[in-house]
Amino acid sequence: SQKIEQNSEALNIQEGKTATLTCNYTNYSPAYLQWYRQDPGRGPVFLLLIRENEKEKRKERLKVTFDTTLKQSLFHITASQPADSATYLCAPVGSSNTGKLIFGQGTTLQVKP
Amino acid sequence: GAVVSQHPSWVICKSGTSVKIECRSLDFQATTMFWYRQFPKQSLMLMATSNEGSKATYEQGVEKDKFLINHASLTLSTLTVTSAHPEDSSFYICSARPRTGQETQYFGPGTRLLVL
Repeated sequence: SQKIEQNSEALNIQEGKTATLTCNYTNYSPAYLQWYRQDPGRGPVFLLLIRENEKEKRKERLKVTFDTTLKQSLFHITASQPADSATYLCAPVGSSNTGKLIFGQGTTLQVKP
Repeated sequence: GAVVSQHPSWVICKSGTSVKIECRSLDFQATTMFWYRQFPKQSLMLMATSNEGSKATYEQGVEKDKFLINHASLTLSTLTVTSAHPEDSSFYICSARPRTGQETQYFGPGTRLLVL
């Protein structure tokens, strides 16, 4: 069955450092992969989308990579700030275009000042 | 742009009653809306896909008679939890996919349901 794995343990880093979050998937051939941010008690907010033919995507301090051979996506936040503290969710999406999102369990990032 | 609202933001009800949750896309039309449920410390679980003007498609294990979904217009979908029980207490979140066919979905702020 399809499986999505994110680091279940919280990631604690110091302000100013780069945070790297991992998303691994199995039994999947996603056409693209999305990353979302979720704050406690709130709905997810879309951050970035990367397609299978793209190796890397950037948006301000965010960078996403997509390795279809390793079946892995990495999400980087450079120059991290305490305001970046949240849970980050990845969602690989198949090519069927149904729009259905199956999320990983999320990684909680805590940036300390 | 691309704002999705939910109403109510939280609701407390007695066991056995029904609760309706509204999901609206405020500044775009959505042919498809999705309903998710999230328990504490867990990720979002897709419950059903709601297409405007047609019946909803439910994920395996989700009771369609218990979670009634109506998508009457391109900007509104409703989820009714019928005969709610304490185990239905959860955080319910909707998302909307723009009619323009974008892959991105926009999520509502969620509705916290507590069934006593």
